[in-house]
Amino acid sequence: EPEVTQTPSHQVTQMGQEVILRCVPISNHLYFYWYRQILGQKVEFLVSFYNNEISEKSEIFDDQFSVERPDGSNFTLKIRSTKLEDSAMYFCACSGTGFFGEQFFGPGTRLTVL
Amino acid sequence: SQELEQSPQSLIVQEGKNLTINCTSSKTLYGLYWYKQKYGEGLIFLMMLQKGGEEKSHEKITAKLDEKKQQSSLHITASQPSHAGIYLCGATATGNQFYFGTGTSLTVIP
Repeated sequence: EPEVTQTPSHQVTQMGQEVILRCVPISNHLYFYWYRQILGQKVEFLVSFYNNEISEKSEIFDDQFSVERPDGSNFTLKIRSTKLEDSAMYFCACSGTGFFGEQFFGPGTRLTVL
Repeated sequence: SQELEQSPQSLIVQEGKNLTINCTSSKTLYGLYWYKQKYGEGLIFLMMLQKGGEEKSHEKITAKLDEKKQQSSLHITASQPSHAGIYLCGATATGNQFYFGTGTSLTVIP
């Protein structure tokens, strides 16, 4: 069964450093998303992406964040200068039938900013 | 923004018992989704409801969307330990954003 994979599973970084979180979505899916979940809080939408463009972003997704589909298979989330409050679980998701629909989620990357 | 309130926040039931989780929206829903999350893992899609009054079932889980499309319920019949996890409702709003509810943690005691 096709699945979404994310690497690394856990990333520890120093405040101010750049991090790139990687995701490999299901191969024939065209709609991609990033979410984050701060420990003990709701899963929050960050960004939706289609046709090599950001479709929508939340107020959380400020200039420190960027997304890219560099090679047609990977989908990355970059945080330029991490802050303590960026510590969270980051989930990548994809869907094949329009925006949202049935989303397939990766297992997440736990980001810890020290 | 879309606010989705779930109740109860947590639920502990004996195996075999039925249970219901509710999701209430502050706005009319364009689509209502149910997901399950196991601790420390990604989310798994359960069901999607779009029409007022719609009801869908999968195995022992039934979800309904009310006529006004502002409330949904998820009902589990004869719960099993495998049903344990966090249940999240989610919804789309205008634009291509997605909102999750506050979550309901379910524990099933064998």
